[in-house]
Amino acid sequence: NAGVIQTPRHKVTGKGQEATLWCEPISGHSAVFWYRQTIVQGLEFLTYFRNQAPIDDSGMPKERFSAQMPNQSHSTLKIQSTQPQDSAVYLCASSPRLGASAETLYFGSGTRLTVL
Amino acid sequence: GEQVEQRPPHLSVPEGDSAVIICTYTDSATAYFYWYKQEPGAGLQLLMSVFSNVDRKEEQGLTVLLNKKDKQLSLNLTAAHPGDSAVYFCAVSVGGSGNKLIFGTGTLLSVKP
Repeated sequence: NAGVIQTPRHKVTGKGQEATLWCEPISGHSAVFWYRQTIVQGLEFLTYFRNQAPIDDSGMPKERFSAQMPNQSHSTLKIQSTQPQDSAVYLCASSPRLGASAETLYFGSGTRLTVL
Repeated sequence: GEQVEQRPPHLSVPEGDSAVIICTYTDSATAYFYWYKQEPGAGLQLLMSVFSNVDRKEEQGLTVLLNKKDKQLSLNLTAAHPGDSAVYFCAVSVGGSGNKLIFGTGTLLSVKP
């Protein structure tokens, strides 16, 4: 079991460029979560899919950020017109949904996005 | 919504000593509690999870205590060693369909040899 795989590990973009981050969940897991981690804000929830359907995107900035899960083997987080304040580590996690309502998240190593 | 406070932000202990990290939460309906460890450049590694009907859970040198009356969750590392040096996060979930985890602010633990 390779765990949650995130690519790339590091991405540097210029201000105004687009960034696409990829996540491959653990095989058989039904949920995928995206979090953003910064020193100032800590771990912020962005969005969540279950069985590929979007469930909760309450943490996603309304502009420029979008996430998709076109199939059960990968999810993408896209940031259009990146800004320096988007610089962060973006973490993806998957969950097998053990039990009636527990979400136990298994995290990838993250993508460090740097916007110059 | 749920808010989670974690303390201390930094903790330094000699090897062999115990280290205690405490989180307080606000929502009495919170049902699931987690502790994660993050090493430099890595994602979060799940250490332990407990359901709200558990007051104490021990695994591999770690003890989690849950005080629902005071809405407090603690992690005790007994006999810490340098390999335990990392950032530790608590996380909580109210539970139910589609509930995300809310994380504490993290504790940087340094274990001095």
